[in-house]
Amino acid sequence: DAGVTQSPTHLIKTRGQQVTLRCSPISGHKSVSWYQQVLGQGPQFIFQYYEKEERGRGNFPDRFSARQFPNYSSELNVNALLLGDSALYLCASSLGAILAGGGETQYFGPGTRLLVL
Amino acid sequence: AQSVSQHNHHVILSEAASLELGCNYSYGGTVNLFWYVQYPGQHLQLLLKYFSGDPLVKGIKGFEAEFIKSKFSFNLRKPSVQWSDTAEYFCAVTPNSGGYQKVTFGIGTKLQVIP
Repeated sequence: DAGVTQSPTHLIKTRGQQVTLRCSPISGHKSVSWYQQVLGQGPQFIFQYYEKEERGRGNFPDRFSARQFPNYSSELNVNALLLGDSALYLCASSLGAILAGGGETQYFGPGTRLLVL
Repeated sequence: AQSVSQHNHHVILSEAASLELGCNYSYGGTVNLFWYVQYPGQHLQLLLKYFSGDPLVKGIKGFEAEFIKSKFSFNLRKPSVQWSDTAEYFCAVTPNSGGYQKVTFGIGTKLQVIP
């Protein structure tokens, strides 16, 4: 079975531009979460989507937005790019939502490496 | 808000040495705890997780972790490491406070095992 896939693998943008990153979850998975991993740091939570609705948001500015489609794939959009947005963006899928006390395991994709110049 | 501290950022061990990677979290309530591993060139993957019950959790590839509530710790252990354990290890926490939750990761520990 295919794992979580993300596109593109690498991307170079300039400050002020906008970017869209894409994620396809494992077949049957209904939840997608997005993370930002800056070099030398652990992944930082950006969004969780479950059944096409936003279920959680991390401490990121409104320049970051996302959506989940009826086929459960997801897009992450970042507007007005800053140099500090340069990072590896990870998508993780799970069968169900990430709930307190729940047993969901997240499966991570390979990430999209974004460089902002 | 919860946070996770991993004390050792870079660990170098010889094969067959024992491993213990520290992880402490800060959160006032009950938590769910995870260790993830990222092997060179591979995706981040779950190593083991604690939700409730026995505080000693066994994971894949001979790894285990012990949840010590009084110390807010969830250290990862392996009695004898192999060269193939060379990877980056991340501790993570989710509050067990109801509803949708986010996963908070630590900074990671890079483990290098020397043959």
